[in-house]
Amino acid sequence: EVQLVQSGAEVKKPGESLKISCTGSGYSFSAYGIGWVRQMPGRGLDWMGIIRPDESDTRYSPSFQGQVTFSVDKSINTAYLQWSSLKASDSAIYYCARPRVVGAIDAFDFWGQGTMVTVFS
Amino acid sequence: QSALTQPASVSGSPGQSITISCTGTSSDVGRFDYVSWYQQHPGKAPKLIISNVSLRPSGVSYRFSASKSGNTASLTISGLQADDEADYYCSSFTAAMTSVFGGGTKVTVL
Repeated sequence: EVQLVQSGAEVKKPGESLKISCTGSGYSFSAYGIGWVRQMPGRGLDWMGIIRPDESDTRYSPSFQGQVTFSVDKSINTAYLQWSSLKASDSAIYYCARPRVVGAIDAFDFWGQGTMVTVFS
Repeated sequence: QSALTQPASVSGSPGQSITISCTGTSSDVGRFDYVSWYQQHPGKAPKLIISNVSLRPSGVSYRFSASKSGNTASLTISGLQADDEADYYCSSFTAAMTSVFGGGTKVTVL
């Protein structure tokens, strides 16, 4: 059974750094990309980008380029989303998701449970 | 890139059919057959219900169907049921080799 399990909720102050995780199981982790999707409170979905472990290929939405960093540790089937300096506007639920097809960057058929990030002073 | 345009809300009575539109540009919806649709119930992760414009993943009800014409994709829900009440999002691959979501449509079952 394919599963994506994300790390728990975080409460941080502006300017702090943060790294959240997404661990995949039940499939060949390295073969598929892991996408990241933001959902701000009461708002819609934002495609942040995707990282493809086997190809070390990372693609960011222009809206998120330079604001976040994706990484992956294939040895433990885990992808990461990282901020170096959080802002209040980063408060949101962040989902990781796996594309339905190898090589795709969307059409996500498996999703993590979401990680809520709250940033306030 | 701008989000794809969806109506904010659509409603219908049980048993009726409703259609949600998703309008993009010639750089995304109009250029590629990589339009997906998702259903999201409150407090839950999104669920893929359509990929590649009109393909239904295994386990998705036949009551969900979709198509595309020009720069506009459409999702139709037939035989509307109470459990269909949710938010629906379209997404498309883009010429910039990224993806973009629509703003979302709240479906209300009257």
